[in-house]
Amino acid sequence: QQQVKQSPQSLIVQKGGIPIINCAYENTAFDYFPWYQQFPGKGPALLIAIRPDVSEKKEGRFTISFNKSAKQFSLHIMDSQPGDSATYFCAAYISNFGNEKLTFGTGTRLTIIP
Amino acid sequence: GAVVSQHPSWVICKSGTSVKIECRSLDFQATTMFWYRQFPKQSLMLMATSNEGSKATYEQGVEKDKFLINHASLTLSTLTVTSAHPEDSSFYICSAREGSGGLFPDTQYFGPGTRLTVL
Repeated sequence: QQQVKQSPQSLIVQKGGIPIINCAYENTAFDYFPWYQQFPGKGPALLIAIRPDVSEKKEGRFTISFNKSAKQFSLHIMDSQPGDSATYFCAAYISNFGNEKLTFGTGTRLTIIP
Repeated sequence: GAVVSQHPSWVICKSGTSVKIECRSLDFQATTMFWYRQFPKQSLMLMATSNEGSKATYEQGVEKDKFLINHASLTLSTLTVTSAHPEDSSFYICSAREGSGGLFPDTQYFGPGTRLTVL
């Protein structure tokens, strides 16, 4: 059972465009939602994260939008650059002691073309 | 920033042999380390969580006798794939949580991964 659903599977955007990656979750016990960036042959790196009491968080060119009632959250990349080409994973986390575990989405392969 | 290293970065072995993968936190102490498996173009699946000095906790469906995890120190965890078979070929990624970790995993850092190919 996939607890965190991510779409699209792949995305091609022209430089300067705004790619949007969407995720949806089912378990309302999740209370932390990070996004990770992974380059080929490397491990994921934390990009930005949000807690469900906030509807939006912005860090540089990266913005997370969060809709608690719909149980959905999305990543927007402003002024996208070829260097942003990577695989992006959303994740969800439960902070209850003894149940801490990151659950990852299926990933989105993003390509920014010049 | 916090760095997690893995060794080797890639390994090819014959079916039936055992392979050990090391995960080290280079500049911080990690009470908890995690091992993930990632198939091509797929998500990371948690295999097990290990706490220093205690037995690892394996996720459902992961064979503990096949994937041996040892977390002997605050900076080193090892994953041994015993009697490896071609279906064990995958990208194995470790992750280490700094110190007590805090409430959220923003201090959980990932290694660069180890690509295992079993012939």
